[in-house]
Amino acid sequence: DIQMTQSPSSLSASVGDRVTITCQASQDITNYLNWYQQKPGKAPKLLIYDASNLETGVPSRFSGSGSGTDFTFTISSLQPEDIATYYCQQYDNLSSTFGQGTKLEIK
Amino acid sequence: EVQLVESGGGLVQPGGSLRVSCAASGFTFSNYWMTWVRQAPGKGLEWVANIKEDGSEKYYVDSVKGRFSISRDNAQNSLYLQMNSLRAEDTAVYYCARYARLLWYEVFDYWGQGTLVTVSS
Repeated sequence: DIQMTQSPSSLSASVGDRVTITCQASQDITNYLNWYQQKPGKAPKLLIYDASNLETGVPSRFSGSGSGTDFTFTISSLQPEDIATYYCQQYDNLSSTFGQGTKLEIK
Repeated sequence: EVQLVESGGGLVQPGGSLRVSCAASGFTFSNYWMTWVRQAPGKGLEWVANIKEDGSEKYYVDSVKGRFSISRDNAQNSLYLQMNSLRAEDTAVYYCARYARLLWYEVFDYWGQGTLVTVSS
């Protein structure tokens, strides 16, 4: 099974800061990597698909990059409404694994 | 508007059974794979099971194989998860999601609000 190691597990940043989250796969997953945002008490929401593609309607301050085993999710300028937990997700051979999540807080 | 509404969660004793359901609307249900994802209280997301458009293929995470069964009724636009031999560690919010398998990428693009399953004596 492919394991996803996401870091950090929590992050405190100020409004306007650039925020970066990383996700490492235990084996090469090419670009089979998505990013989701989950606000408290809500279902996850797809933000980035195929490692670097922005889902329709998602603000352009969110971006993703990487391929193979190492991936990065970035918020270019943190906004108060971005407070949430973020998850990476790999998909391979009709199974899927999520990273442990990164809880983002405002400093 | 795509909508997914889960139901059927509740309290069940260890070793017991429960079936949760997901009612889909706003899209052609029979054209999509579907999936279940769960989230234990205060924990992260865990993929549970996938089912093909016509129900002919099903895939499960190892921890539920032989105990859980995913199914669907395309005439009723409904997805199901039959859970048997439940354990305390199955306690979670269970989300259904639409599983869009496109040319070169796959996403869980729409999610329900979830239904809580609690396994406790």
